[in-house]
Formats: sequence, C-alpha cells, structure tokens
Amino acid sequence: AQSVSQHNHHVILSEAASLELGCNYSYGGTVNLFWYVQYPGQHLQLLLKYFSGDPLVKGIKGFEAEFIKSKFSFNLRKPSVQWSDTAEYFCAVNARGGSQGNLIFGKGTKLSVKP
Amino acid sequence: EPEVTQTPSHQVTQMGQEVILRCVPISNHLYFYWYRQILGQKVEFLVSFYNNEISEKSEIFDDQFSVERPDGSNFTLKIRSTKLEDSAMYFCASSGPGRETQYFGPGTRLLVL
Repeated sequence: AQSVSQHNHHVILSEAASLELGCNYSYGGTVNLFWYVQYPGQHLQLLLKYFSGDPLVKGIKGFEAEFIKSKFSFNLRKPSVQWSDTAEYFCAVNARGGSQGNLIFGKGTKLSVKP
Repeated sequence: EPEVTQTPSHQVTQMGQEVILRCVPISNHLYFYWYRQILGQKVEFLVSFYNNEISEKSEIFDDQFSVERPDGSNFTLKIRSTKLEDSAMYFCASSGPGRETQYFGPGTRLLVL
C-alpha cells in the first residue's frame, strides 16, 4: 500500500541548531515529493518539491531536502533553525504523471524552536 | 499572490444535519481537491475533480459526500447527514494545468455534536 512515514512526531530544538526531519515513502512507481509547512493558525504552504533532476532541492526560508531513491527517502534539512520555524511539517508524495495526482501525506512532525 | 480561500473557517453542526463547505480555488486552476485531517491524524485525500466531474475518490468519500462546482469560481463539498466521526479539518486544494503542485486553503474546522 502507498504510504508516507515521518519518523519524528515532535522535535524540540534551540535556535541555531541544525534540523533534519525524516521522511520515507512506499509507492509502486515514480513519484513527486513535497514538503508542506503549517505555521500555527495558518494553512498548509508548500516549502519545497522534487519532480526530477538534481536530487538536492532548495526551498523557501533556507530549507532543503534530498531525494535518495535507493532509500525511498526525502529528508528535510535546515542548517540553523529560527524561532519562526516553529510549525508542523508534512511530507507528501503523488504519482508522477498520474491521472489524478492526489497527495499521500505523512502524519506530520511538529517542530518547536526555543528562543 | 493568488490564494485558495475557504468558508466558513469554523462550523458546528448537529449529527444528521447537512453541511456545505465552500472553496474558491485559484482562478486559472483546473484541478480541485478535498482533503481532511481528523485531530491528531494525517491529512487524508477525499476526492479530486476535473472538467466538472470526479476524477478520483477515496474510500472515505462515500454516498454521504458530494462535490460540485456550481459556478465558475466556487467548489463545494457537501456532507448530507453528518456523523460524529466527520469532525475534522477539511482542506480544499487546487492545481494548475500541469497538475504538479497543489495549493491549499486555510481549512474549515467542522465539529459535529
């Protein structure tokens, strides 16, 4: 069955610490990969996406993610987090070239950054 | 920057009542979606809509649910007879002709009592 796993439910960091959030997927085909962020009280916003090409993708606000096909992973990273990065982060996949394109989400990782 | 909008932001209803959740997708988008997130659980796909018809639906999207694009701007989700387990945050999303990236609205929090 198609699924997305996010390993960490809640991550607590101090400002300036480095961040890595894990995401693994199970999907029988070629995928597009996404990270969405939901700041407190706000809607889901696209952070970054991977469709093809360079497996290291850069998104907004200094975030990046690396697609490792052999590991079915798409981990999110940021070298130095800020208090304003406090939010919930969702990894998602859909089928590349699929006729419908519905997203399959992970459960989300809540990030709390202490000032 | 264009955004997906949803109304209402919150709705409280009694079990068995009908609710209609409204969404205004980004204006040049062609693909529309509804997702829901029950508290503490993952965001789940409900239905996708293209060219005035449902293109895919999940197991959750049973006969109690329907979608409609009644005019050129709105996209609605109707739940005919709400159940307690329908309490969730409902997200609308839309994507453009390339269908690659979905943009989400702020959600409607539905509480069924």
